[in-house]
Amino acid sequence: QVQLQESGPGLVKPSETLSLTCAVSGGSISSYYWSWVRQPPGKGLEWIGYIYYSGSTNYNPSLTSRVTISIDTSKNQFSLKLSSVTAADTAVYYCARGLSGRSGGLYFDYWGQGTLVTVSS
Amino acid sequence: QSALTQPASVSGSPGQSITISCTGTSSDVGGYNYVSWYQQHPGKAPKLMIYEVSNRPSGVSDRFSGSKSGNTASLTISGLQTEDEADYYCSSYTSSSTLLFGGGTKLTVL
Repeated sequence: QVQLQESGPGLVKPSETLSLTCAVSGGSISSYYWSWVRQPPGKGLEWIGYIYYSGSTNYNPSLTSRVTISIDTSKNQFSLKLSSVTAADTAVYYCARGLSGRSGGLYFDYWGQGTLVTVSS
Repeated sequence: QSALTQPASVSGSPGQSITISCTGTSSDVGGYNYVSWYQQHPGKAPKLMIYEVSNRPSGVSDRFSGSKSGNTASLTISGLQTEDEADYYCSSYTSSSTLLFGGGTKLTVL
């Protein structure tokens, strides 16, 4: 059974960089689109971006200038960095395993439990 | 990119059927058969219920079904059960190779 577990600071100061890691167990990190999704308190889901196991990335256009997703296949984990954070970046951050169809598409079959990151001084 | 449009809330009684709509554009919902639906209970991670418009992952009840017409996708839940009470989100692949979520629909089972 594939399991994903997010880790990282729960509190980040405004203007600093949010850093999270997602550890993948129960399966290989090879193949799949390893993704980050966030959910502000009481609000809906927002896709942040993904990294393919080969290292190629794709980000939400609204966040692309501040987001970096990386992968470490030797450790079976991938990471998120979001720079210049503000209170609007306060959210539960989920990591997820993404699957794609033959000619595109993206859906998530396994999710981490989520981790709340609060941006505050 | 604007979020896909979903009704804020729907409700139904046990045993009834309900449908949740998800409206986008020809650049997302209407342009691809890559719509997914997720169920989220309070404080929990989302769970995949439907992928590629109408496919159910293994283990998901056949009371859940998906369809699409034009720029609008739909999730139908038949034989409503109390445990179906949750938030539901649609998502769609886009012409920019990105992913859009809907704003979410709160399902209340009366």
